[in-house]
Amino acid sequence: AQTVTQSQPEMSVQEAETVTLSCTYDTSESDYYLFWYKQPPSRQMILVIRQEAYKQQNATENRFSVNFQKAAKSFSLKISDSQLGDAAMYFCAYRSASNDMRFGAGTRLTVKP
Amino acid sequence: GAGVSQSPSNKVTEKGKDVELRCDPISGHTALYWYRQSLGQGLEFLIYFQGNSAPDKSGLPSDRFSAERTGGSVSTLTIQRTQQEDSAVYLCASSTRQGSGNTIYFGEGSWLTVV
Repeated sequence: AQTVTQSQPEMSVQEAETVTLSCTYDTSESDYYLFWYKQPPSRQMILVIRQEAYKQQNATENRFSVNFQKAAKSFSLKISDSQLGDAAMYFCAYRSASNDMRFGAGTRLTVKP
Repeated sequence: GAGVSQSPSNKVTEKGKDVELRCDPISGHTALYWYRQSLGQGLEFLIYFQGNSAPDKSGLPSDRFSAERTGGSVSTLTIQRTQQEDSAVYLCASSTRQGSGNTIYFGEGSWLTVV
């Protein structure tokens, strides 16, 4: 099965600054999707952004963007103009063409006012 | 319902007892996933269903864990002879089958405490 690695258990950022969360994955497949999910203290999982592996263009969603490096199997999340409400656990996820979906261990993001 | 529904939301059980956790996916969603999340930890994959079949059961921690899905809808996760290390939040998610890029939607989880 595919593995997803998030090497930063915790990160912190000053409000209004930019932070990048790292994610790498291991796969032999060519067709797959990558996701970032946010989990606030409420525990509800919220989709932040997704990327199709066949697309070279990096996905962007308002203040959130990704740096997708397919050859390096890297999928980092950049949060610009960080807000207090961005504080949460962030999970990187890989979904295969067969719909199998695996998550990384998560990165806890703290936003300092 | 409008979203993924899980029950019970909270369950306290004595060590050694069996528990059943239920997941009712969004109507029409053929893919269903179970994950386990210990306090402050990541999501541990348990099992996923495509319709009623489970292509990969390797995530189930032990033979005390089993899951089934009937009618392509509701799924139950059963834990037999519960142990304290089974205490965690059990999250269920579902999605449509068409295109693995489709978003998966999570329920609010079932918080299991084994005492």
